[in-house]
Amino acid sequence: SQQGEEDPQALSIQEGENATMNCSYKTSINNLQWYRQNSGRGLVHLILIRSNEREKHSGRLRVTLDTSKKSSSLLITASRAADTASYFCALNGQNFVFGPGTRLSVLP
Amino acid sequence: NAGVMQNPRHLVRRRGQEARLRCSPMKGHSHVYWYRQLPEEGLKFMVYLQKENIIDESGMPKERFSAEFPKEGPSILRIQQVVRGDSAAYFCASLELGHPKETQYFGPGTRLLVL
Repeated sequence: SQQGEEDPQALSIQEGENATMNCSYKTSINNLQWYRQNSGRGLVHLILIRSNEREKHSGRLRVTLDTSKKSSSLLITASRAADTASYFCALNGQNFVFGPGTRLSVLP
Repeated sequence: NAGVMQNPRHLVRRRGQEARLRCSPMKGHSHVYWYRQLPEEGLKFMVYLQKENIIDESGMPKERFSAEFPKEGPSILRIQQVVRGDSAAYFCASLELGHPKETQYFGPGTRLLVL
């Protein structure tokens, strides 16, 4: 299966702490993307990392990709209550495949 | 540039009725994906369409579900003879191909409730 698998399924942290979410997959990809979803609304694209890239930054977000281990991580630094959402990795290979998501709760 | 639009936002149907979900992609986008999301779950791919062409429908149930993206007008996801298990949120996303623009832009979704 090409499906991404995020872990943990749920994560609860205090405001100001860092949050790390991981995504593992099984097949080759062109790129891997992370999306955020608030309360069942549409997904919002956060960051895209290509298969030949190892790390990308965007504001408080840092994404890494290890194609040898077929895994990616999303780090949110200095988290805020407004970061509370579900985060999904999406594999762009033959098609777009989303993982089941990590539900992040940032407590004030 | 308006984002991806979906309507209706909420749709209630009784078992056996038909549901028609519409998706207007972003201006200039000619590719549309449809996804289904059950509560507390991730998105499940259903179908990938280009104008007047179905590129990949491997995620579509074999019966009762169909999708189209005509030359003019929105993409339509049609569910015939709905059953309670069809209750879910249905999202569409549009895509502008080409490096580096391979990002999907999602609509707000249509929440279908089958009574």
